[in-house]
Amino acid sequence: QSALTQPASVSGSPGQSITISCTGSSSDVGGYNYVSWYQQHPGKAPKLMIYDVTNRPSGVSNRFSGSKSGNTASLTISGLQPEDEADYYCTSFTTISTVVFGGGTKLTVL
Amino acid sequence: QEQLQESGPGLVKPSETLSLTCNVSGGSINSYYWTWIRQPPGKGLEWIGYIHYTGGTNYNPSLKSRVTISLDTSKNQISLKLTSVTAADTAVYYCARDLGFTRVRGVVIKLGTYFDYWGQGTLVTVSS
Repeated sequence: QSALTQPASVSGSPGQSITISCTGSSSDVGGYNYVSWYQQHPGKAPKLMIYDVTNRPSGVSNRFSGSKSGNTASLTISGLQPEDEADYYCTSFTTISTVVFGGGTKLTVL
Repeated sequence: QEQLQESGPGLVKPSETLSLTCNVSGGSINSYYWTWIRQPPGKGLEWIGYIHYTGGTNYNPSLKSRVTISLDTSKNQISLKLTSVTAADTAVYYCARDLGFTRVRGVVIKLGTYFDYWGQGTLVTVSS
């Protein structure tokens, strides 16, 4: 199984909105509504931010939202804050019941 | 609130077997799926495999021939074994709870995936 494709880096200024894409295939992202997103700060374990494409766990800011179109899922962060600077990873369930991660995107808040 | 804690040797010799344990506290490992994920230094996350408390497993095809995940419900522990390790297996290893499943007429079916609780991770270095 191939890793999902994410941009290596994105950046934005405080208050702005950014979107991180996650592209797969009909065997994963496009085949199910089972995409999740994780935030990882340096030296820390990842944290669940979005699951099942659009759902936010309790306690996650509503500045984080998810969507999907075809084989590409997206994570949008609105009203960027300095603490949003981190690495972000997408995952998807696959047609053979495995899990595939994206390569990760480094978000820089300018 | 569940807490997960990985443990095991921090140094493994090439060609030997990496063995890690994930201890779950604050809740039971029954009723959920449990996953191992790793992250080489400076690189991205890689899914290793999952196990259901009934014993059903599925593994990353690229690691399938070398991986075994098991659990001990009496100890509330999940274990990972990776054989014939090389330097490429050097990574931080995480265990996590996977809530991606559904029940149909009382039968649990793996459907979807998302990890709500994670351990802090443990670094395993493969070196002679």
